[in-house]
Amino acid sequence: KAGVTQTPRYLIKTRGQQVTLSCSPISGHRSVSWYQQTPGQGLQFLFEYFSETQRNKGNFPGRFSGRQFSNSRSEMNVSTLELGDSALYLCASSDPQGTQYFGPGTRLLVL
Amino acid sequence: GQNIDQPTEMTATEGAIVQINCTYQTSGFNGLFWYQQHAGEAPTFLSYNVLDGLEEKGRFSSFLSRSKGYSYPLLKELQMKDSASYLCAVRDRNQGGKLIFGQGTELSVKP
Repeated sequence: KAGVTQTPRYLIKTRGQQVTLSCSPISGHRSVSWYQQTPGQGLQFLFEYFSETQRNKGNFPGRFSGRQFSNSRSEMNVSTLELGDSALYLCASSDPQGTQYFGPGTRLLVL
Repeated sequence: GQNIDQPTEMTATEGAIVQINCTYQTSGFNGLFWYQQHAGEAPTFLSYNVLDGLEEKGRFSSFLSRSKGYSYPLLKELQMKDSASYLCAVRDRNQGGKLIFGQGTELSVKP
C-alpha cells in the first residue's frame, strides 16, 4: 500500500499571503489529522477530519482551516500568514484501530 | 487536562540497551503510542500499548503501567541508526480521541 502523501514538500511565502496544503491518506483510511511541528513547541494538533466532517480541533486561530473530500483527501489552508507560521506541517491518516501514519510533511517558510 | 513528560535528550553507546521514560496525566487514557522521528523526516509508528505490561517486537519493546501513568520503550543492541527523536503520544477519549504528543526525547547513539 502506498503511504500518506503530501504536497508540496517545500513552500516559501511572504507575510500576509495564504497557503493551501494537500494530503492524500493511505487507501482505505477515512480519518486524517493535521499537525504543526516547530522546534520549540513540538507536535501541535491542528484538526482531524473523518468522512468529510471535522471531528476534532486544536487550539489554533481561525486563520487555520481545513476540509476533507469524499475520497478522503484533505487540504488545510492558512490565511494571512505570519512569520510564526513557519513550521513543518504533518498530515497523518488513521487505521480503524486509531494508529496514525504520517506523511513526509510540508515545510513552510514565511518571510 | 493532560500533561506528558519526557527527558529532552539522552546519550547511549552502540550495542547497549536504553530506556526512554514517559510519564503522563490524562483524564481519559485510551492508549499510548511511541513514534520515532529522524531529523528532517516524518514520525514513524513504533508501538501501541493500551494494557499494562511489556510488548516485545525484536530489538524494540514497549512497557506501560496505567496505574503509574508511565511508559517506556526499551531499545536493545543499539545501532547508530537508532539516533533519533522518540515521541510519546497519549490518546485521550475525553479529548475526542485525539493524540497528545510529548516534546520528544532526542537520543544520540555514540560508538
